[in-house]
Amino acid sequence: DTEVTQTPKHLVMGMTNKKSLKCEQHMGHRAMYWYKQKAKKPPELMFVYSYEKLSINESVPSRFSPECPNSSLLNLHLHALQPEDSALYLCASSSQGSHEQYFGPGTRLTVT
Amino acid sequence: GIQVEQSPPDLILQEGANSTLRCNFSDSVNNLQWFHQNPWGQLINLFYIPSGTKQNGRLSATTVATERYSLLYISSSQTTDSGVYFCAVGQKLVFGQGTRLTINP
Repeated sequence: DTEVTQTPKHLVMGMTNKKSLKCEQHMGHRAMYWYKQKAKKPPELMFVYSYEKLSINESVPSRFSPECPNSSLLNLHLHALQPEDSALYLCASSSQGSHEQYFGPGTRLTVT
Repeated sequence: GIQVEQSPPDLILQEGANSTLRCNFSDSVNNLQWFHQNPWGQLINLFYIPSGTKQNGRLSATTVATERYSLLYISSSQTTDSGVYFCAVGQKLVFGQGTRLTINP
């Protein structure tokens, strides 16, 4: 099974709201990633977790707050977002023995 | 950081045609993946190919790591092959700008 799941599929939120995106994998992978993809652009890395510890933060604004409660779950907490944060947010995972990443279907976020 | 260039940016073909997509990268890598992004945004893994040649049905890929390029071949194209094809390299997966493939019936 090479499935990564993400919820919700779509999210509309106001600039004063707090919301969370959820990502889950049951492949035993120990590395998990958040990417952001704007329309007609390629995905760009935001965060990397390795063995449940944050290992890479690509200078992401603090209004995005990642969390890895356990080895199967990755959250992205959102607070005080701007309209320009509207994008497709993709989660991925990989095993430590291989660099191959598997992606979830994404959450399409609209900030109004 | 590493640079990834894909060509062509757009490709329009008739059903049944063959195509070759190219990915050039600026530094040696231990990871190279090809993805197909469908209209709903899902990134579908096509190949994990840091070097060598692989085939999967009508698709095949070759990476020449010493010359820093990879090629994706699609034979006998079908309309369902339409979408954006991304090459991505490195552990942090730096993506190219993609090739938008349109297959007309």
